[in-house]
Amino acid sequence: GENVEQHPSTLSVQEGDSAVIKCTYSDSASNYFPWYKQELGKGPQLIIDIRSNVGEKKDQRIAVTLNKTAKHFSLHITETQPEDSAVYFCAASKGYSNYQLIWGAGTKLIIKP
Amino acid sequence: EADIYQTPRYLVIGTGKKITLECSQTMGHDKMYWYQQDPGMELHLIHYSYGVNSTEKGDLSSESTVSRIRTEHFPLTLESARPSHTSQYLCASSESKGSGYTFGSGTRLTVV
Repeated sequence: GENVEQHPSTLSVQEGDSAVIKCTYSDSASNYFPWYKQELGKGPQLIIDIRSNVGEKKDQRIAVTLNKTAKHFSLHITETQPEDSAVYFCAASKGYSNYQLIWGAGTKLIIKP
Repeated sequence: EADIYQTPRYLVIGTGKKITLECSQTMGHDKMYWYQQDPGMELHLIHYSYGVNSTEKGDLSSESTVSRIRTEHFPLTLESARPSHTSQYLCASSESKGSGYTFGSGTRLTVV
């Protein structure tokens, strides 16, 4: 079946450094790729997304890149801050529908002061 | 600012009790979802709805049931709670055009 692999499961970076989280999807029909941030005791929150007709998207310190050929997409966080510490989930739309998502297993990002 | 509300936030209940977890959204979204998640772990889809009177089971088998009588309301019911039901339950909704999910804050359920 369709799946999304997410790496690493835990990422520890020094405050101010960059963090990169990578995902690989299997469904060639996927066309929507969101990223979510989940803080302790809260539900996941959408932080950035990208559609298959775009290769890169930026929003301040956050960027997402998509390589459709390789079925890879990545989240890049620059100038990391303590408030970036959270669990990050990638997802890919199921088939041609944007309604259901296939989720990665999550990455726990730890920002060291 | 939350546009999707889940109650209660925390619930501790005895084995065999019937419980209903509430989820309401004010955004007029057609699509709604229930996920089960152990803290910080993977999200598992247990139920979804694409509109009023439409409900489907998700990928993870669950003994819970759902209903969708009104667009804004998507409650989840467990007829007889068991310790294996202890988990966090997250409700989400999305627009028809697929612009990502909005999640509630979740209900942390503990069955003793």
